[in-house]
Amino acid sequence: GAGVSQSPSNKVTEKGKDVELRCDPISGHTALYWYRQSLGQGLEFLIYFQGNSAPDKSGLPSDRFSAERTGGSVSTLTIQRTQQEDSAVYLCASSLGGPAYEQYFGPGTRLTVT
Amino acid sequence: KNEVEQSPQNLTAQEGEFITINCSYSVGISALHWLQQHPGGGIVSLFMLSSGKKKHGRLIATINIQEKHSSLHITASHPRDSAVYICAVRSGYGGSQGNLIFGKGTKLSVKP
Repeated sequence: GAGVSQSPSNKVTEKGKDVELRCDPISGHTALYWYRQSLGQGLEFLIYFQGNSAPDKSGLPSDRFSAERTGGSVSTLTIQRTQQEDSAVYLCASSLGGPAYEQYFGPGTRLTVT
Repeated sequence: KNEVEQSPQNLTAQEGEFITINCSYSVGISALHWLQQHPGGGIVSLFMLSSGKKKHGRLIATINIQEKHSSLHITASHPRDSAVYICAVRSGYGGSQGNLIFGKGTKLSVKP
């Protein structure tokens, strides 16, 4: 079946603009995760959605970052007033249940803020 | 000190060699993940384990909860194993159980 998909694959934006990154999880997966991988840095947790529960936003680096998950499926990560330090690959993953289940990663969105 | 430490950072091996990548962590965990990231950037989950040992093909992962240490072994290594291998742990406590803490990765290059 289809894996996790993300769009766009690449996004170049000017500093100060808002961007939206989309994630389509595997159908039936109730858990969805957003991560960030900056150049030369390791992966960093951003936010976690599980079913209808309140999301775990503990990894969001600032209030310019927000995410939604509509209908328990598609998720959008929004970055407002982008800064150059926001340049990174943003990865989405989903799992069948909660954290006890294997995570399946999408191909990522490479964001470049100029 | 990082909560998840991997060693070595970089590893070059000849095809056929036995490879070991180590991961040490300092927090209480409920599970440990080994991930593989190929040069194109795609990430694949290799193992998720909370005790003992798991094997999949030429890959073996072990974990020692008491020592807070895990190893990833690759037997009969092949150039296609060249990738970055990432260790990640999931905390066993509190409300942030969705939160994975990642090591910085081990870059493996297997020469033919």
